[in-house]
Amino acid sequence: SQQGEEDPQALSIQEGENATMNCSYKTSINNLQWYRQNSGRGLVHLILIRSNEREKHSGRLRVTLDTSKKSSSLLITASRAADTASYFCATDKYGGSQGNLIFGKGTKLSVKP
Amino acid sequence: KAGVTQTPRYLIKTRGQQVTLSCSPISGHRSVSWYQQTPGQGLQFLFEYFSETQRNKGNFPGRFSGRQFSNSRSEMNVSTLELGDSALYLCASSLREGLRAYEQYFGPGTRLTVT
Repeated sequence: SQQGEEDPQALSIQEGENATMNCSYKTSINNLQWYRQNSGRGLVHLILIRSNEREKHSGRLRVTLDTSKKSSSLLITASRAADTASYFCATDKYGGSQGNLIFGKGTKLSVKP
Repeated sequence: KAGVTQTPRYLIKTRGQQVTLSCSPISGHRSVSWYQQTPGQGLQFLFEYFSETQRNKGNFPGRFSGRQFSNSRSEMNVSTLELGDSALYLCASSLREGLRAYEQYFGPGTRLTVT
């Protein structure tokens, strides 16, 4: 079953613009992670935010977490063509094993040069 | 450090056969998780192994099994293959300390096609 649901399902922007993707989840969590997947390949870990954190930055990435709304957002600033990929949020269930990630269906981002 | 490796990368099998996929985690990582990715169901958790013990299992039939060796390498096996088992199988490794987990690092996946 899907815990996380990303929104939008697809996003098309021009190079240099910012891209924002949202994720909503259903149950309380320990951590929320964002991953990137280039077409048909393995997932690349982008950022992990713990349930007691509200915001985290990594390079051009900014992630926010609102546990009261059970939602998170991923912002990619100054996007590049190389950012074209699918982006997934993944959560674990509070009190459950943190080795069991539940993924959303992903947002497909297309950055046009 | 070398990343997570998975072998083979591609596999074609026929219905009814069985298959074994292999995963070597990042050195020092003791937790290995397996996921199945299909266009229809997305990414779904299969199972997690830590210290040679299965810690968690997803909602998959008993035809899907796995194991972990003392060097943390892991294998998963699918018996009596069905067409619906065609998928990208991803392995991920992570550090683990008690219940606290860290980022999961994924391998490139094994693309299994069942005909």
